[in-house]
Amino acid sequence: RKEVEQDPGPFNVPEGATVAFNCTYSNSASQSFFWYRQDCRKEPKLLMSVYSSGNEDGRFTAQLNRASQYISLLIRDSKLSDSATYLCVVNSRDDKIIFGKGTRLHILP
Amino acid sequence: NAGVMQNPRHLVRRRGQEARLRCSPMKGHSHVYWYRQLPEEGLKFMVYLQKENIIDESGMPKERFSAEFPKEGPSILRIQQVVRGDSAAYFCASSGGRDEKLFFGSGTQLSVL
Repeated sequence: RKEVEQDPGPFNVPEGATVAFNCTYSNSASQSFFWYRQDCRKEPKLLMSVYSSGNEDGRFTAQLNRASQYISLLIRDSKLSDSATYLCVVNSRDDKIIFGKGTRLHILP
Repeated sequence: NAGVMQNPRHLVRRRGQEARLRCSPMKGHSHVYWYRQLPEEGLKFMVYLQKENIIDESGMPKERFSAEFPKEGPSILRIQQVVRGDSAAYFCASSGGRDEKLFFGSGTQLSVL
């Protein structure tokens, strides 16, 4: 099993729709979880941290399921500007920070 | 409030030359990470450094690649005798400590002719 696994997509979603994607991780000792977004040919930028209790930031909701070892990202009322690649990031106890390969999202007008 | 600074943004080298990529972490950050990204691929971890120490270099190729983060000055990723397969985007990120979020530089696009 890969350390961090994501569905590569692409997810093609009409503007205004809700979209969700998951990320699974293999190391049960992982401590910190994040979602980053990366636009084409640009550096990754932090979207949000993921907390055990789940957290929301505007249209974005992140959740962590430790028992099943996955995190999720939900985007409501999607905008054209949400088109990007979304990277799942897991930080394990041995300080290894692992990035998933990303899920590509295309918001269609 | 300068973020993570990487230079150069673009670097062109001929096969066999050396490439030096520089990264200045965000002010107050002492943890630096280097990642490589090929087109249409994910970010691949290369090395994690703290000031004057290499903490984890498990992602570094055994030959030709080296990294340092001296007490003074930027972190340097050095690639000797570059080959075409080294062409990629190299991103540096910094953090203030363990379990903390990473902030990325704009990357260096290395092209080997």
